[in-house]
Amino acid sequence: QKEVEQDPGPLSVPEGAIVSLNCTYSNSAFQYFMWYRQYSRKGPELLMYTYSSGNKEDGRFTAQVDKSSKYISLFIRDSQPSDSATYLCAMSGEGGSEKLVFGKGTKLTVNP
Amino acid sequence: EPEVTQTPSHQVTQMGQEVILRCVPISNHLYFYWYRQILGQKVEFLVSFYNNEISEKSEIFDDQFSVERPDGSNFTLKIRSTKLEDSAMYFCASRWTSYEAEAFFGQGTRLTVV
Repeated sequence: QKEVEQDPGPLSVPEGAIVSLNCTYSNSAFQYFMWYRQYSRKGPELLMYTYSSGNKEDGRFTAQVDKSSKYISLFIRDSQPSDSATYLCAMSGEGGSEKLVFGKGTKLTVNP
Repeated sequence: EPEVTQTPSHQVTQMGQEVILRCVPISNHLYFYWYRQILGQKVEFLVSFYNNEISEKSEIFDDQFSVERPDGSNFTLKIRSTKLEDSAMYFCASRWTSYEAEAFFGQGTRLTVV
């Protein structure tokens, strides 16, 4: 079983739709969960960061972590064409030098 | 807003040549990383660096790779004898402390080995 699994899509939605992006993981030592947005040939841009289980909201974005199911989600409300990008989940364990383990990314297109 | 800066943005090199990729992490950050992403694949960890030494390295980070923080601002990745399969985007990242897990990435260096 891969450490972090993410459906690569592609996912295509109309403008204004609610988008749901998900990752599952196998390593119960993961405590920090992040979502990054990546445009083609650019660096990952941090969107959301959550520690342990729970929800976090920032504007149109909501991140959820369910550690009992080893499942994390990112919801985008009122999606915009500018949200079109690849979304990467990433996670790490405790400790400052802990590496990030990434999912493969989901390519999202929001159509006007 | 502080950001991680990487140079060059694109480097083409011949197989067997040495390359040095440069990064300036965010100034008050203490933990530094190199990741790479082969086209169409996931972002992979290469190495982490803290307190002027390597904290962890992956299987990819073999003897042809080395990292250095030659002064208070730069963080470099050297590939001694490049191979075709080293062609990838290389990302530098930094993180403030062990209590804040947010890692901030640079825009990457696209390395093409011909």
